[in-house]
Amino acid sequence: DAGVTQSPTHLIKTRGQQVTLRCSPKSGHDTVSWYQQALGQGPQFIFQYYEEEERQRGNFPDRFSGHQFPNYSSELNVNALLLGDSALYLCASSIGTGGRETQYFGPGTRLLVL
Amino acid sequence: RKEVEQDPGPFNVPEGATVAFNCTYSNSASQSFFWYRQDCRKEPKLLMSVYSSGNEDGRFTAQLNRASQYISLLIRDSKLSDSATYLCVVLSNDYKLSFGAGTTVTVRA
Repeated sequence: DAGVTQSPTHLIKTRGQQVTLRCSPKSGHDTVSWYQQALGQGPQFIFQYYEEEERQRGNFPDRFSGHQFPNYSSELNVNALLLGDSALYLCASSIGTGGRETQYFGPGTRLLVL
Repeated sequence: RKEVEQDPGPFNVPEGATVAFNCTYSNSASQSFFWYRQDCRKEPKLLMSVYSSGNEDGRFTAQLNRASQYISLLIRDSKLSDSATYLCVVLSNDYKLSFGAGTTVTVRA
């Protein structure tokens, strides 16, 4: 049973560019949450997708957008990249949106913006 | 004020020692509480949920104090493999998870 997978594992971009990160949830999970983790910090909630809709959103600008597909996989898009967007981007999957269910994290995508 | 605050440590302890640390949260309406473990350059993994009455899982004991709005984690008989960053996680009443910045524990031989 595959866990949460993310691609790519590493990415280097320059300021102003756009990036798309991908996530496949754990089998049987229908909810995907995205987090940004800067060095030395805890993960910060970006948004959550359920039934192909954004259900919750953290304090991130509109440059951060996402999508969920019918097979529950998800993408995170970041436009107009800034140096401060350099971080580990984590995807977590769970069942339902209540929040009490355990979230399983993928290995993350390390994004470096130059 | 941050929603979840932790002592960053590091806590440097010998094998076999007991180590304990706390986390405080700002939202009194928070619903659920968790401890996650994160190894260097790896993803966070759930260590344990924290229940109102306190709970134990092997060498790990978690306590919740709603009146003072803090959560604690105690590790007994520390092993080298316990070296990691421990993240305190709080589920708010609007169902968002908030993570602390983590407490680093290093167990030495």
